[in-house]
Amino acid sequence: SQELEQSPQSLIVQEGKNLTINCTSSKTLYGLYWYKQKYGEGLIFLMMLQKGGEEKSHEKITAKLDEKKQQSSLHITASQPSHAGIYLCGADVPGSARQLTFGSGTQLTVLP
Amino acid sequence: DSGVTQTPKHLITATGQRVTLRCSPRSGDLSVYWYQQSLDQGLQFLIQYYNGEERAKGNILERFSAQQFPDLHSELNLSSLELGDSALYFCASRATGDYGYTFGSGTRLTVV
Repeated sequence: SQELEQSPQSLIVQEGKNLTINCTSSKTLYGLYWYKQKYGEGLIFLMMLQKGGEEKSHEKITAKLDEKKQQSSLHITASQPSHAGIYLCGADVPGSARQLTFGSGTQLTVLP
Repeated sequence: DSGVTQTPKHLITATGQRVTLRCSPRSGDLSVYWYQQSLDQGLQFLIQYYNGEERAKGNILERFSAQQFPDLHSELNLSSLELGDSALYFCASRATGDYGYTFGSGTRLTVV
């Protein structure tokens, strides 16, 4: 089965600093999703990557999928307290159902 | 509002009891996925339905069952509840041919 490993598990940064969260897969990624979750709340979709080398940005968040499609990174520029939360990467499991398998998450704290 | 509605938001019940969680998918989405999120296991896929039929099973216990009705809403039934079943239960829906998954805000189940 496909496993996703996220690093770091937690991150504390000062407001205004840049940061990167990594997601590494044990198998080739066919679809990689990034979600943000406030503690105890629902998942908010950030971005989805499919092609090797693909890069997408939304506001101050950029996500990349490496050429070999086994690793993705999420980069936040000039972090703000509103960026705080749990970031989860999820991967499409090949098959007809295409359910997602998720990493364990990265807890981000942004200090004002 | 994501368009996926889950009820109830919170549920407290005793061990040995049975509960039903409800999910209304986004309008027009035929696929419904159920996930369990606990502190020790992270976000785990339970089961998927497509247009009323079960499509895939994940780490779902035999005490748990689900169904999707003709109006496409889905119910997750949890029986003989144990303390370890305490978790957030999420429902997500997806449109056919679409890569995006939309999550509901979850049901927090506490078993005492």
